[in-house]
Amino acid sequence: AQKVTQAQTEISVVEKEDVTLDCVYETRDTTYYLFWYKQPPSGELVFLIRRNSFDEQNEISGRYSWNFQKSTSSFNFTITASQVVDSAVYFCALSEAGSGGSNYKLTFGKGTLLTVNP
Amino acid sequence: AAGVIQSPRHLIKEKRETATLKCYPIPRHDTVYWYQQGPGQDPQFLISFYEKMQSDKGSIPDRFSAQQFSDYHSELNMSSLELGDSALYFCASSLGYLSGNTIYFGEGSWLTVV
Repeated sequence: AQKVTQAQTEISVVEKEDVTLDCVYETRDTTYYLFWYKQPPSGELVFLIRRNSFDEQNEISGRYSWNFQKSTSSFNFTITASQVVDSAVYFCALSEAGSGGSNYKLTFGKGTLLTVNP
Repeated sequence: AAGVIQSPRHLIKEKRETATLKCYPIPRHDTVYWYQQGPGQDPQFLISFYEKMQSDKGSIPDRFSAQQFSDYHSELNMSSLELGDSALYFCASSLGYLSGNTIYFGEGSWLTVV
């Protein structure tokens, strides 16, 4: 069964600090997809990134970067020079290819509440 | 760009009443998902539809039903509401029913059962 663990329940930083959100996953599939979503206080879920299991290249998008390491089953997310607007709950999620391609639903971690203080 | 549209955004119902949530996927998206997020919880998968057919089912109570219509919009019907049904309900959509396709979420519908 698939499982996503976000061990950090809450993180509090001061603006301009760098912060890394951890995500560890479990899956028996060799083909799977990892996602990060942001949920600001207003409630919507905002897609940030998708990564497939065959692509271990790290990715950078502005102040955001992601480190995918299959050897440790981790997909960590780093925000550089954090800003108050980054305050939100961040969810890591997993989607397996499944037999016959039937397990397309996302399994979410419990989320990490990031608070960036001015 | 057009996003997933959900209505109503907020809904207050009494116990044992019925509620219907509507979802309009991103244009050309043929797959719709419903998720339920309780207070302080992660979103839990309820059900999904691909090309108007149910494609997967999660932890959806028997009191709930859903369908996808010919124009690809979807409705989630919840009957005999209980206090524990109070949650944020997300609809999401994707293009094609393939693992790894990016799933885009709507802003959610807040249901409060009193």
